[in-house]
Amino acid sequence: DVKVTQSSRYLVKRTGEKVFLECVQDMDHENMFWYRQDPGLGLRLIYFSYDVKMKEKGDIPEGYSVSREKKERFSLILESASTNQTSMYLCASSPTGGTGNTIYFGEGSWLTVV
Amino acid sequence: QKEVEQNSGPLSVPEGAIASLNCTYSDRGSQSFFWYRQYSGKSPELIMSIYSNGDKEDGRFTAQLNKASQYVSLLIRDSQPSDSATYLCAVNPPRNDYKLSFGAGTTVTVRA
Repeated sequence: DVKVTQSSRYLVKRTGEKVFLECVQDMDHENMFWYRQDPGLGLRLIYFSYDVKMKEKGDIPEGYSVSREKKERFSLILESASTNQTSMYLCASSPTGGTGNTIYFGEGSWLTVV
Repeated sequence: QKEVEQNSGPLSVPEGAIASLNCTYSDRGSQSFFWYRQYSGKSPELIMSIYSNGDKEDGRFTAQLNKASQYVSLLIRDSQPSDSATYLCAVNPPRNDYKLSFGAGTTVTVRA
């Protein structure tokens, strides 16, 4: 089975703090994603990476950055956390090629910024 | 116009009934379509994928795709209380950089 692991499940941070959310996948997938999910807004893509050291902005990249130094690991960074970044953050991965581009999600990280 | 639209619900069905969920998408060239189930407080899990027009059945779930009309649906037969969840429709648009566009989800409640 595909395993996408988000190491921090529940975090409470103060406004202005730097926040790191880590994600590791064990299926050698090329693609990795960070989404946030908010009530009524659904899933919104923050950043996407299709290879090591490669990244692309998603729909809502402002206030976020990412790092992918190794194929299995994709980190989301909030340089200066703000209260409007309180949300559930979902990491995901998918393989390249074949049909479907099925995306597999991690368990989610609940971030509260106070 | 949103890329993927779903009725938000909630959709309430009695146990044993058929739950019918609909999804429309805007990009006519989309090729891959997915249904994810998300329990409250949990992450989405894939339950169905469909790529060709017609029906695809997997257990109590049937996905239906009509590319000409740009809609995809999910039927849940013999609904169980454990099917109570939010169902997300996802579409792979033709520009295809492996991203999926998600609908906002339809919340289903199966009442015993």
